[in-house]
Amino acid sequence: NAGVMQNPRHLVRRRGQEARLRCSPVKGHSHVYWYRQLPEEGLKFMVYLQKENIIDESGMPKERFSAEFPKEGPSILRIQQVVRGDSAAYFCASLRGQGLTEAFFGQGTRLTVV
Amino acid sequence: TQLLEQSPQFLSIQEGENLTVYCNSSSVFSSLQWYRQEPGEGPVLLVTVVTGGEVKKLKRLTFQFGDARKDSSLHITAAQPGDTGLYLCAGAPTDSWGKLQFGAGTQVVVTP
Repeated sequence: NAGVMQNPRHLVRRRGQEARLRCSPVKGHSHVYWYRQLPEEGLKFMVYLQKENIIDESGMPKERFSAEFPKEGPSILRIQQVVRGDSAAYFCASLRGQGLTEAFFGQGTRLTVV
Repeated sequence: TQLLEQSPQFLSIQEGENLTVYCNSSSVFSSLQWYRQEPGEGPVLLVTVVTGGEVKKLKRLTFQFGDARKDSSLHITAAQPGDTGLYLCAGAPTDSWGKLQFGAGTQVVVTP
């Protein structure tokens, strides 16, 4: 998982605030996936992005959640008006290209909503 | 949704013993990966298996992909405390190569 950088590592937000999670993929990787991990559960797919495009957002709640991967800069997962149920570890994974399923994961952002 | 069931959920063994973790599904996957996750860290890829019946060895770890590409197993020989961690299997569905389906994981604890 070397090279996938996520920040912040830990984020505390009060209910109703916004959370912004950042992910810089491995250099040269243009495919980014976001996953959420709840305690005692496996990782759940949220959204798949390529540069400037959302390819698959079927795992992301339609309300309050959004994601982007601009031409320049990191991918951003934004959660508006956070609720306690949003508390989880959010992981970003990057892949080099289509057809390659070996994903490199970042260290994650642990979001705590108080 | 294609579900991956891992068993057991928790495994505690003594150093030097062997262990096997299973990953089963009713669906076919184009490939299956095994990851290990330490507390507070992201999953780290151990191996990818692609061909039905494939067996891969990584030092003391042996990975097998079922003939029908629906299940897999991870066998650790002579476990060491450094093998302690959460082992996750993840399958790539045949129609969505990058969208991994993860099992809930098997927590392995190896005591000296």
